[in-house]
Amino acid sequence: EVQLVESGGGLVQPGRSLRLSCAASGFTFDDYAMHWVRQAPGKGLEWVSGISWNSGSIGYADSVKGRFTISRDNAKNSLYLQMNSLRAEDTALYYCAKESTRSAAFDIWGQGTMVTVSS
Amino acid sequence: QSALTQPASVSGSPGQSITISCTGTSSDVGGYNYVSWYQQHPGKAPKLMIYEVSNRPSGVSNRFSGSKSGNTASLTISGLQAEDEADYYCSSYTSSSTLRWVFGGGTKLTVL
Repeated sequence: EVQLVESGGGLVQPGRSLRLSCAASGFTFDDYAMHWVRQAPGKGLEWVSGISWNSGSIGYADSVKGRFTISRDNAKNSLYLQMNSLRAEDTALYYCAKESTRSAAFDIWGQGTMVTVSS
Repeated sequence: QSALTQPASVSGSPGQSITISCTGTSSDVGGYNYVSWYQQHPGKAPKLMIYEVSNRPSGVSNRFSGSKSGNTASLTISGLQAEDEADYYCSSYTSSSTLRWVFGGGTKLTVL
């Protein structure tokens, strides 16, 4: 079964850091680009960051550029998001998503991990 | 990096057809055939319904169809069913020297 399982979320104070992980299974992880998409409570989806299969191409939303770092370990079938200098507006459910081959669409999603930034 | 524009809500009766629009710019929707649509039920993860403007993934009902004209993409759902009631989001790849995507603000579909 194709599956993405996020972990690492929690309650964190403003200005602190958190690292999210996404464990992939059921497909050849290193064949696909991967992404993080977030959803603030009661709000819409926001693309956060993406990374190509070999980490050669990486992108960030303007709202997180310079604070968040995406990475992957193909040997461990894992995707990561290092989040520094967290702000209240980063509070959201963070989804890991697999990009479908050459279609720029997200065909597999995890269930998300909740990040709450509050003092 | 502005969000794509979708109507906040649409509604229709069972059996009817509805269309949700998604307006962007020549840098995203109008510039690439990489528009996708997602369905999200409350408390659930999004589900891919349409990719590359008009293609349906395996398992998605043919009642769902997509199209694009200029900077506006559209999702049409025909033969509305109660289970279609959900939030729908469009997304597009955007022009950039790096990877970059943008989502629409979402549309709440109510089946009356």
